[in-house]
Amino acid sequence: DIVMTQSPLSLPVTPGEPASISCRSNQSLLHSNGFYFLDWYLQKPGQSPQLLIYLGSIRASGVPDRFSGSGSGTDFTLKISRVEAEDVGVYYCMQGLQTPPGFTFGPGTKVDVK
Amino acid sequence: QLQESGPGLVKPSETLSLTCSVSGGSINTFSWSWIRQTPGKGLEWIGYISHNGSTNYNPSLKSRVFISVDTSKNHVSLRVASVTAADTAVYHCARLVGYDVLSTFDSWGQGSQVIVSS
Repeated sequence: DIVMTQSPLSLPVTPGEPASISCRSNQSLLHSNGFYFLDWYLQKPGQSPQLLIYLGSIRASGVPDRFSGSGSGTDFTLKISRVEAEDVGVYYCMQGLQTPPGFTFGPGTKVDVK
Repeated sequence: QLQESGPGLVKPSETLSLTCSVSGGSINTFSWSWIRQTPGKGLEWIGYISHNGSTNYNPSLKSRVFISVDTSKNHVSLRVASVTAADTAVYHCARLVGYDVLSTFDSWGQGSQVIVSS
């Protein structure tokens, strides 16, 4: 089974400062089509998750360019270049390779303002 | 837009049934998934139904889960049989997309809280 881990699990941030979240899988997320099947989602307080980044590094429609995704193999990173107050919430990484047991999510990283 | 609905309370051993209403597009051209969320286990993928009607379920739930689409009503349905307290969760429907492989949930409903209790 593919297991996803994230660090840190809690991240106090200062508006205007950068922030970074790490995501690791116990198997490579490289698909035979050449893409890394790793997505990032943000769940804002009281809302459902929303897609931020897909295939490791592609920003979803409408996502500000202060968000970026990178990584390869089993190690991936979500970076926020300058955190804004509206960025608070829980960030999840997810592997989309569908190898059993299918899609699996990381435990989440809670980002809040210091 | 996606909107889940269904009974908020289900008795143990009974069947949980939820509906996801899809608006703003043709339900036939996309694949649809159910994901549930609990404070303890986080986000857990339940299964999906593809645009061609094929299904894929989480092995841990496969024996109890059924996902279907009603194109006449633009609904995606979820049934979970023989529920226990462990099935208490917020249930989300989501649209599943991908270039050549289904891999990303690009739109989510707000979620429907289901409590399993007698």
